[in-house]
Amino acid sequence: EAQVTQNPRYLITVTGKKLTVTCSQNMNHEYMSWYRQDPGLGLRQIYYSMNVEVTDKGDVPEGYKVSRKEKRNFPLILESPSPNQTSLYFCASSLSGQAWSTEAFFGQGTRLTVV
Amino acid sequence: AQSVTQPDIHITVSEGASLELRCNYSYGATPYLFWYVQSPGQGLQLLLKYFSGDTLVQGIKGFEAEFKRSQSSFNLRKPSVHWSDAAEYFCAVGAMEYGNKLVFGAGTILRVKS
Repeated sequence: EAQVTQNPRYLITVTGKKLTVTCSQNMNHEYMSWYRQDPGLGLRQIYYSMNVEVTDKGDVPEGYKVSRKEKRNFPLILESPSPNQTSLYFCASSLSGQAWSTEAFFGQGTRLTVV
Repeated sequence: AQSVTQPDIHITVSEGASLELRCNYSYGATPYLFWYVQSPGQGLQLLLKYFSGDTLVQGIKGFEAEFKRSQSSFNLRKPSVHWSDAAEYFCAVGAMEYGNKLVFGAGTILRVKS
C-alpha cells in the first residue's frame, strides 16, 4: 500500500531532551516536507527536501533540523525541544519536485507535547 | 504577501443539508488550488484540485469546488452532507512564483447534526 509512515504517533517529552520523529514513504517521491499544525494557524511548513541531500527551510524552521540521506526517509530532529514546539506534526511527500502544483500525500501525524 | 483565508473556523450543518466552505486567496497569478480533508486522528487527504479548464471541479466523496477568478475564491460544496463528512477541511494554494510549497488556510471544522 502506498503510504507515508510517521513514528511515533504520540510523544510526550521534557524540555531539552533531543528527539527524532521518523518519516518514510514507499512511493519513490522526490519531494518531502514537514508541517506543524496549530489551532487557527493551519499547516505551516517547517522544512522541505527536493531530493536526496537537498533540504531547505520552510516558513517556521527555528528549533528544527532535518536530513535526507535516502530518498524514502526524511526525519525531523528537535535538538532541544521547548514547550512552544508542542504541536501536531505532519510529514508529506509529492511525486514531483514541483510541490506547488502536485498532490501531497500525508502521514497520520505525530502529536508532540513538550513539558 | 500571498495568503489563504478560510473565514469560517467552525460550521455546523444538519445531515442531508447542503454545504459550502469558503476559501479566498491573495496571489498575483492564477495559482494551483486544492481542498484537503482531515478526519479525526488521520492525515490530510486530497478532495480535489484545480489549475485550469472548467471552473467547476469534481472531487471524491461527492464534493465539488468552483473557481471564481473575479472573487479570488475556490469554495467547496456538497449537495447533501453525511455524518461521515464531519472533519476539518483545508484549502491550499500553490504558485511557482511564491516558492516550492503549498500554503494552507487555517481550516474549517465541520460538525454534522443528526
